Amino acid sequence: DAGVTQSPTHLIKTRGQQVTLRCSPKSGHDTVSWYQQALGQGPQFIFQYYEEEERQRGNFPDRFSGHQFPNYSSELNVNALLLGDSALYLCASSLGPLVEGRFQPQHFGDGTRLSIL
Amino acid sequence: ELKVEQNPLFLSMQEGKNYTIYCNYSTTSDRLYWYRQDPGKSLESLFVLLSNGAVKQEGRLMASLDTKARLSTLHITAAVHDLSATYFCAVDGTGGFKTIFGAGTRLFVKA
Repeated sequence: DAGVTQSPTHLIKTRGQQVTLRCSPKSGHDTVSWYQQALGQGPQFIFQYYEEEERQRGNFPDRFSGHQFPNYSSELNVNALLLGDSALYLCASSLGPLVEGRFQPQHFGDGTRLSIL
Repeated sequence: ELKVEQNPLFLSMQEGKNYTIYCNYSTTSDRLYWYRQDPGKSLESLFVLLSNGAVKQEGRLMASLDTKARLSTLHITAAVHDLSATYFCAVDGTGGFKTIFGAGTRLFVKA
């Protein structure tokens, strides 16, 4: 049973470029959340997708956008890259929204390490 | 706005000693998580605490939750070097659609 898979594992970009990161949720999961983890910090919530819609968004600019496909996989797009976007990007999947009565803990992927030069 | 604070942020301890990591959060939530992260790795789920007074133990780690005080603790008993890692607590926001993490506690256990 495959867990959460992310691609690529590492990526190097330059300022101003655009990047797309991909995530396949754990089998049976339908909800995907994305997090940014800068070096030495805790993960910061970017947004969550369920039923192909963005359900909640953290304090990130519009340069960060996402998409969820009918097979529940997801993409994170970042435009006009800045040096400060260098981080580990984590994808987490779960079953349904994290609401009472249907609680399922999130499963995290290994992340994509993005470096901006 | 939900905020999660951990302390200490850095902890160096001797093998065999006991210590507690504290996690405070600012608004009501009934779900609190503890994760472990090794350098360059992803997050490993340690505990999920769902109700006031919940206590869970796994090996040398024990976590508890006091929702009235908005406080969780992660207690380390008789530390060993293998416990060296960064430990994060995290709390679900209203509606449960997002999870807010603390800054993490970097634990180093000296032999």
